[in-house]
Amino acid sequence: AQKVTQAQTEISVVEKEDVTLDCVYETRDTTYYLFWYKQPPSGELVFLIRRNSFDEQNEISGRYSWNFQKSTSSFNFTITASQVVDSAVYFCALSSHSWGKFQFGAGTQVVVTP
Amino acid sequence: SQTIHQWPATLVQPVGSPLSLECTVEGTSNPNLYWYRQAAGRGLQLLFYSVGIGQISSEVPQNLSASRPQDRQFILSSKKLLLSDSGFYLCAWSVSVSYEQYFGPGTRLTVT
Repeated sequence: AQKVTQAQTEISVVEKEDVTLDCVYETRDTTYYLFWYKQPPSGELVFLIRRNSFDEQNEISGRYSWNFQKSTSSFNFTITASQVVDSAVYFCALSSHSWGKFQFGAGTQVVVTP
Repeated sequence: SQTIHQWPATLVQPVGSPLSLECTVEGTSNPNLYWYRQAAGRGLQLLFYSVGIGQISSEVPQNLSASRPQDRQFILSSKKLLLSDSGFYLCAWSVSVSYEQYFGPGTRLTVT
């Protein structure tokens, strides 16, 4: 079975603070894929990043960065210098060919106040 | 480019009435298709997924069903809605499980 844990239910920050979202996963597969999605108040899920299990390079995209560590089965997401527009629910997800589908975490609500 | 459409955007239905939600994808062939429900709170519950025409896998036993009559069309149905069917229904597609899913705008269903 596959499992994704996002232990943080809600994180509140003041604008310009950094915020890190934790994602811990469980899988028996050696080849798997990890994703992050953003769900703004409008409801539509927006794809942010995909990582395969063989690529442990960290990635930075503007104010977003991701830290993938196989040793701890974690794929954490950091928003630097947060803005009000970052207020959303963020989901981490896991997939693999043997599982045949996507397993989403429960999501973390990020609230950024001015 | 690929686009995914869902309709209707909102729906209010009485208990016991039928349901039909439609999802179509443009710009790709033989996509994997998914139906999710997001009830109050945030969790995404996978309801059905399909890897091809006529191939439907059900994740949760309930009074909902899904069909894929055409390659890029995915339909979620119910013969008799329950109050517990209220929620936000999302359709998604992907090339395969190796790649990201792209989600439609969703349908907000309220069963009264």
